[in-house]
Amino acid sequence: DTGVSQNPRHKITKRGQNVTFRCDPISEHNRLYWYRQTLGQGPEFLTYFQNEAQLEKSRLLSDRFSAERPKGSFSTLEIQRTEQGDSAMYLCASSVGLALGETQYFGPGTRLLVL
Amino acid sequence: GDSVTQMEGPVTLSEEAFLTINCTYTATGYPSLFWYVQYPGEGLQLLLKATKADDKGSNKGFEATYRKETTSFHLEKGSVQVSDSAVYFCARENAGKSTFGDGTTLTVKP
Repeated sequence: DTGVSQNPRHKITKRGQNVTFRCDPISEHNRLYWYRQTLGQGPEFLTYFQNEAQLEKSRLLSDRFSAERPKGSFSTLEIQRTEQGDSAMYLCASSVGLALGETQYFGPGTRLLVL
Repeated sequence: GDSVTQMEGPVTLSEEAFLTINCTYTATGYPSLFWYVQYPGEGLQLLLKATKADDKGSNKGFEATYRKETTSFHLEKGSVQVSDSAVYFCARENAGKSTFGDGTTLTVKP
């Protein structure tokens, strides 16, 4: 399967702990996106990368959130000092990144539960 | 800021009925417009898209036309099937940033 993969698929943590999620995009996709989705709502944009450069970051992303894409391939999203309000599905998507209106291919998501 | 508003659900239809799910968007910039679908137990996947005014996206019998004058991108299908039961999301994208609606749950009964 050469789709977008995300690990872990589920994560349960206690409030105050740090968590890190990984996303592996489709090979040779230049753009990588992170979204957060809560029950009954659509995905909310968090940030995106063009290769290794982080080009846009939502105001939703507090200082406790950081994302990296060090070699322009996989990406990590870290949440420090987790809070119960961080409980959500975290989605990753990738696209070729060469034109406007490109299709984004979504991964299965990582479901985070903060106790 | 940018926003997308779509018809609240849930929507329940009988098989072969006509479907319309309304979607309107904020007109800032020159967005591309999308409909994504999420089938039960699966991830989000693109259903159709349109990148400029008056373009029509179509796929699997679904259609949507980019209407700049009404800032709308309504999803339609002439005859729904049970297999179309899913959550449908309208989205706009501009300069790499996407904004999604809250989704409309469609249930099609035999």
